[in-house]
Amino acid sequence: QVQLVESGGGLVKPGGSLRLSCAASGFTFSDYYMSWIRQAPGKGLEWVSYISSSGSTIYYADSVKGRFTISRDNAKNSLYLQMNSLRAEDTAVYYCARDKPAAAGTGAEYFQHWGQGTLVTVSS
Amino acid sequence: SYELTQPPSVSVSPGQTARITCSGDALPKQYAYWYQQKPGQAPVLVIYKDSERPSGIPERFSGSSSGTTVTLTISGVQAEDEADYYCQSADSSGRVFGGGTKLTVL
Repeated sequence: QVQLVESGGGLVKPGGSLRLSCAASGFTFSDYYMSWIRQAPGKGLEWVSYISSSGSTIYYADSVKGRFTISRDNAKNSLYLQMNSLRAEDTAVYYCARDKPAAAGTGAEYFQHWGQGTLVTVSS
Repeated sequence: SYELTQPPSVSVSPGQTARITCSGDALPKQYAYWYQQKPGQAPVLVIYKDSERPSGIPERFSGSSSGTTVTLTISGVQAEDEADYYCQSADSSGRVFGGGTKLTVL
């Protein structure tokens, strides 16, 4: 069965950095796009970034552009999110989620599998 | 990316029909997807491609689309359906979620 396990969350001071990881299993990781999605306490879901199956195509939400970097290692079945210049408003549970299959067209850009999330708290 | 607009809350009595809307200018051109999220849990996909239901999702969940609005319908609402519901769509530059709707079962 598909499993996504995030790690790396924690407490960090404003302006600091953190690297999140997501270990994937139960499917052919290199066949899928992957996304990071976050949820601030008591708030809604916010898409953060996605990366294509090969890593050649990457997009970010405007709120994190220039500060966050998504990457993947297909040999290790792992997804990463490097977060720099963190702000209080980046405090959230961060989920990794399986995005569309690389071979799929439109209509497959949904998230059927999610990790359990990792909490990032930005506070002095 | 564009915006998706949902009502903040919807309330229904058990056994009635709940309808949750999601509006966005790009919805005539892009598919919509729906998620259910209960407190402390990751979201669960309940509808994809506007109206398709994943395996394991009860038949009382259905989706429809008309112009710039998509609708999640829950027929014969049960107490266990009380949750937050989010619509989501995509374009060439990313993914977008609606603000979420809290469904209260009275």
